[in-house]
Amino acid sequence: AQSVAQPEDQVNVAEGNPLTVKCTYSVSGNPYLFWYVQYPNRGLQFLLKYITGDNLVKGSYGFEAEFNKSQTSFHLKKPSALVSDSALYFCAVSPNFNKFYFGSGTKLNVKP
Amino acid sequence: GAGVSQSPSNKVTEKGKDVELRCDPISGHTALYWYRQRLGQGLEFLIYFQGNSAPDKSGLPSDRFSAERTGESVSTLTIQRTQQEDSAVYLCASRYNRGSYEQYFGPGTRLTVT
Repeated sequence: AQSVAQPEDQVNVAEGNPLTVKCTYSVSGNPYLFWYVQYPNRGLQFLLKYITGDNLVKGSYGFEAEFNKSQTSFHLKKPSALVSDSALYFCAVSPNFNKFYFGSGTKLNVKP
Repeated sequence: GAGVSQSPSNKVTEKGKDVELRCDPISGHTALYWYRQRLGQGLEFLIYFQGNSAPDKSGLPSDRFSAERTGESVSTLTIQRTQQEDSAVYLCASRYNRGSYEQYFGPGTRLTVT
């Protein structure tokens, strides 16, 4: 079965420290990978994507993600967290753009 | 420009009643998706429309669920004989098909079945 796992329900980090939000997947073929963010009372917003090419991709708001094919992972990272980064983050995977599989979400709490 | 809009924003209905949810995609976006998000869970794919092609209905959980889209415009998701487990936020997203990978999400419709 196709699936996306975000093993941490919540990640806590101090402002200014690096952050990592983990995502692993089990989807056939060479899927396309995405991160979305959901701020309170707002819709999901696109952060970044991996389609092909360099394993490290850069996205909005200083976020980046590293694709690791052998580990089927696509972890979200940021070198220095901001309080305003506090939100719910979703990893998404698609084999063909027809169907997207989303993880259950990770709540990021950045403390001042 | 206008984003994806959904209506109603909230819907409370009694068990057994039918409901219809509406999605207005961004103009020019040929791809449209419906998702269900239960409380505290991730998004569950329901259905995908691409232009005039046959939709991918593989995510619809039962035959009580159906969706329509006319061309590249409005889509409606219909749930017949609603059950309490249908309570969730229903999200719609659209995407410009050519060279774009980003889905634009609407604010969702919160459905509560009592």
